Amino acid sequence: EAQLVESGGSLVKPGGSLRLSCVASGFTFSSSSMNWVRQAPGKGLEWVSYISSSSSYIYYEDSVKGRFTISRDNAKNSLYLQMNSLRVEDTAVYYCARETTVTTYDQYYYMDVWGKGTTVTVSS
Amino acid sequence: SSELTQDPAVSVALGQTVRITCQGDSLRNYYANWYQQKPGQAPIIVIYGETNRPSGIPDRFSGSSSENTASLTITGAQAEDEADYYCNSRDSSGLYWVFGGGTKLTVL
Repeated sequence: EAQLVESGGSLVKPGGSLRLSCVASGFTFSSSSMNWVRQAPGKGLEWVSYISSSSSYIYYEDSVKGRFTISRDNAKNSLYLQMNSLRVEDTAVYYCARETTVTTYDQYYYMDVWGKGTTVTVSS
Repeated sequence: SSELTQDPAVSVALGQTVRITCQGDSLRNYYANWYQQKPGQAPIIVIYGETNRPSGIPDRFSGSSSENTASLTITGAQAEDEADYYCNSRDSSGLYWVFGGGTKLTVL
């Protein structure tokens, strides 16, 4: 069974840094594109960042560009999110999610495996 | 980036049919996906590529699309369908993901 387990969330002061990790099991991590998605308390889902299987393509949501860095270590089946210059508005549950592609009549992309999330709280 | 707009809340009587909609310009060019999220849980995919249902998802869930609007229909809503539903698609560049604001479904 495919599984993702996030860790690294904690309470941090504004301006501080944090590194989130996501460990994958039950599937071929090195062949999978991955995403980070966050959810602020009582709010909706917000896509944060994407990384392709070989790290060739990396994208960020505008509000985190220049502050967050996504990376992966395929040998360790691990995905990371380095978060610097944290702001109060970064407070959220952070999920890692596998992106899968299904090809039938067309190509379909969606996030099919999600972790349970790790909580980041930015507060003084 | 693009925006996807959903009604914040919808209600349906037990056993009746409900449609949840998602509007956005990018839906003219990119497929919509739909996720269900129950309190304290991670989202799960219920419809991908506009109309496709993953294995394990009940066939009372279906998806459709027209112009700039994607729809998720639950035919014969059950108590366990009470949840938040999010649409998701690419933005206008085709590179980034975007989520709708979510619709809270109440089953009466």
